[in-house]
Amino acid sequence: GAGVSQSPSNKVTEKGKDVELRCDPISGHTALYWYRQSLGQGLEFLIYFQGNSAPDKSGLPSDRFSAERTGGSVSTLTIQRTQQEDSAVYLCASSLGGTGFYEQYFGPGTRLTVT
Amino acid sequence: SQQGEEDPQALSIQEGENATMNCSYKTSINNLQWYRQNSGRGLVHLILIRSNEREKHSGRLRVTLDTSKKSSSLLITASRAADTASYFCAKGIQGAQKLVFGQGTRLTINP
Repeated sequence: GAGVSQSPSNKVTEKGKDVELRCDPISGHTALYWYRQSLGQGLEFLIYFQGNSAPDKSGLPSDRFSAERTGGSVSTLTIQRTQQEDSAVYLCASSLGGTGFYEQYFGPGTRLTVT
Repeated sequence: SQQGEEDPQALSIQEGENATMNCSYKTSINNLQWYRQNSGRGLVHLILIRSNEREKHSGRLRVTLDTSKKSSSLLITASRAADTASYFCAKGIQGAQKLVFGQGTRLTINP
């Protein structure tokens, strides 16, 4: 079946602009996660969704970052007033459930470059 | 840091040899998941091992978990050039849903 998909694959934006990143999880997966990977910080967790609610937002680095999930499926990560330090690869993952016992499957990522 | 360590940071071996990568952690886990990453993009899931398991196999991959030492290892047997990639262990922390990643091991298989 189809895996996790993300769009766009690459995004170049000017500092100060807002961006939206999209994630389509594997059908039937109730849990959805956002991570980002940058050279200096490695792979870090941003936010976790179970259904449409986000019980763990502890990884969001500032209030410029927000995410939502609708219909228990698609999720968008929004970064407002982008800064150069936001440049990274943003990865989305989904899993069957959110009990911590299931495999997390990752999408190909969105490479964000803030100029 | 609760990430623990992965070692080695880089490993270069000849094709056909076995590659072993190690991962340690500091907090209690539900599971530990190993991933492969090529070219800094998507992560490919390799194996999940639960905290009550000691060993799992998948093809040429063997993962062990020693919860008393809080460590895991990934063994790739009969390595191939296509195994060249970065390998990450990700800890499923008890009481949390997120995975905590180490810095990874960059594996190079020389033909």
